[in-house]
Parts: sequence; C-alpha cells; structure tokens
Amino acid sequence: DIQMTQSPSTLSASVGDRVTITCRASQSISSWLAWYQQKPGKAPKLLIYKASSLESGVPSRFSGSGSGTEFTLTISSLQPDDFATYYCQQYITWTFGQGTKVEIK
Amino acid sequence: EVQLVESGGGLVQPGGSLRLSCAASGFTFSSYWMSWVRQAPGKGLEWVANIKQDGSEKYYVDSVKGRFTISRDNAKNSLYLQMNSLRAEDTAVYYCARKYNWNEPFDYWGQGTLVTVSS
Repeated sequence: DIQMTQSPSTLSASVGDRVTITCRASQSISSWLAWYQQKPGKAPKLLIYKASSLESGVPSRFSGSGSGTEFTLTISSLQPDDFATYYCQQYITWTFGQGTKVEIK
Repeated sequence: EVQLVESGGGLVQPGGSLRLSCAASGFTFSSYWMSWVRQAPGKGLEWVANIKQDGSEKYYVDSVKGRFTISRDNAKNSLYLQMNSLRAEDTAVYYCARKYNWNEPFDYWGQGTLVTVSS
C-alpha cells in the first residue's frame, strides 16, 4: 500500500501570507498526485492534478510541484476564502493524506 | 451542470445492511469511472471503491472487501453501494465521485450521505 503523509497537520497563517503544504509518498507515484480543498460540511474540491496542473476555475494563487515521492501545494497569497482543510491524494491506489487544516492566525 | 446526489444513508445497527445510491446528471454517466469515498466524523478522507464505466472492473479498500459491493446502472445514471455486515467503524459521510479514467483524480463530488452504525 502507498502511504501519503502530509505536513504540517495544522497551519496558522494570516491573510496575504505565502503558505506551503508538503505531501510525501511512501514510494514513487510519478506525478499521479492531486490536491483537494474541503470546507466544513462540504464535499472536497479538486484544485491541482498531475502534481502541478491547475484545475479549471481554480485561482492562480494555488500551485503544485513535485514528482516521485515529494510534493508541495503553495498558496501564494492567502485569501479569506482559503481557510480550509487540504488533502493530497495519489491516484494509483487512491489513498489520501491525513489533511492539513489552514487556520486564521 | 454536473450533479451527483447521494441518498440512502441513516442509522443502522451493527451487523446490519444499507444500500446507498448516487443519482448522476449533467454528464455522460457511462463514460466515467465512479467511486465512493468516505469520511468518518472529524477525520480525513478514505477511498472505498471504484467501478469502471461498464462495470467490468471493481476495486475496494481492504477494510470493506467481502462486505461492500459497488454497482452501477448506466440506463438509470445511477451508482450504488451495498453495505453488509456493517461495523461501528463504517460510520461516516459517504461521497460519490467521478473520474474520467483509471489514472485521473476525482473531479466532481456529491454532497454526501451520512451512515451511522450504532446500537
């Protein structure tokens, strides 16, 4: 089984901050990685696929990078709407990371 | 507009059964892999099962193998999850989600239906 580990689990930040979340895979997954945003009581929303491709309609302040076993999601300037929980997912065997909650500092 | 609407959740006793449904609209249902993903209260996301466009391939997370069955009816644009021998640890919001191909992420999700397994 491919395990996905995100860090940090919780992140406190202010509006305008640059935020980076890391996701590590237990074995190489090439670029088969997605990032999702989830707000309380809502379904997840796809942000990034194939590690660095921006889903249609997603603001350009979101970006992804990495390949193999190490990946990052970056929000270049945090906006009020971005306070949420973020999950990475490898889609070879479809496991998710445990999530990173982005909180208001 | 793409819509996925789950139904069938509720309270069930341990050892009981439940059948979830997902009604799809706004896209060509038969062209997509479909999946179930669950989220226990206050916890993260867990993929549960996938089914190929024609139903010929099905995949399950180890913890539900032999207890859950995913199926679809392309004529009715519907996805199903038959859940038997339910356990307390199956308590979760169950989401249906679509993906275009084997190696694609989930690009649309339903709003979820809550399953509670408790005596």
